[in-house]
Amino acid sequence: DQQVKQNSPSLSVQEGRISILNCDYTNSMFDYFLWYKKYPAEGPTFLISISSIKDKNEDGRFTVFLNKSAKHLSLHIVPSQPGDSAVYFCAASTPGEGGATNKLIFGTGTLLAVQP
Amino acid sequence: ETGVTQTPRHLVMGMTNKKSLKCEQHLGHNAMYWYKQSAKKPLELMFVYNFKEQTENNSVPSRFSPECPNSSHLFLHLHTLQPEDSALYLCASSHLTRSYNEQFFGPGTRLTVL
Repeated sequence: DQQVKQNSPSLSVQEGRISILNCDYTNSMFDYFLWYKKYPAEGPTFLISISSIKDKNEDGRFTVFLNKSAKHLSLHIVPSQPGDSAVYFCAASTPGEGGATNKLIFGTGTLLAVQP
Repeated sequence: ETGVTQTPRHLVMGMTNKKSLKCEQHLGHNAMYWYKQSAKKPLELMFVYNFKEQTENNSVPSRFSPECPNSSHLFLHLHTLQPEDSALYLCASSHLTRSYNEQFFGPGTRLTVL
C-alpha cells in the first residue's frame, strides 16, 4: 500500500501562471517532507522541504504547504517557467534513531509541462 | 567530478550475465543508497549503507548484491537477473549527522535485461 500518493500523473500550465502539485500521505508518523525535481536522463534533485512542525516553507518561486490534519501537502510554483517542466516527486520520512533518518518514501511523481 | 556519479549510464545484459553498477559521491557524505525506479512506480529503496555498514535491505532478491568498500563508493553487483529487473537504478548519498535527510542523487543507470 502506497504511503505517499501523487494522484495527478501530469499537469499542464501556462507560463507565468501558478503550478500547484499535490501529494497525500497516510502515515501520521512522517515528520519531514521533501520535493524533488527530475529532468529526463538525470537523477532527482532536491527542491524544497518542510518539517511537520511548520505549515509553510518558501524559497523564491517555490512554496510548500503542509496540512497535517488532512495529511496533504502541496508545492506551488509561481510564476511558472518553461524550465520548470519536469517530473516532481514528493517524499516523506519518519524519525530515526538518534534523530537522523535514512528512509525516504516517494510518490509516483507528477509530470509538469509549462507551456510558453 | 562533483556530486554523485554513476557508471555505466546504460547497460544491456542477458539473464546469465554478471555485471556491476558503480556509484561514487564527492560530497563528503557518510550514507549511501540504492533505489530502483520502474515505469509508473515510486522510487523503491533497495539498500542503505551508513558509515559503510549495511543498515537496510528492503527485501531485495539475492541476485542483487551491494558492496560499500568505503563511504564514497557503492557498487551493485548483478547476476542472473530477470527481464522484470529492467529499470532505472539510482544511487544517492546524504549526511547522517544532520537532523533531516536530504539525499543527493546520481543520474542513474538505465538497465535492460534481455
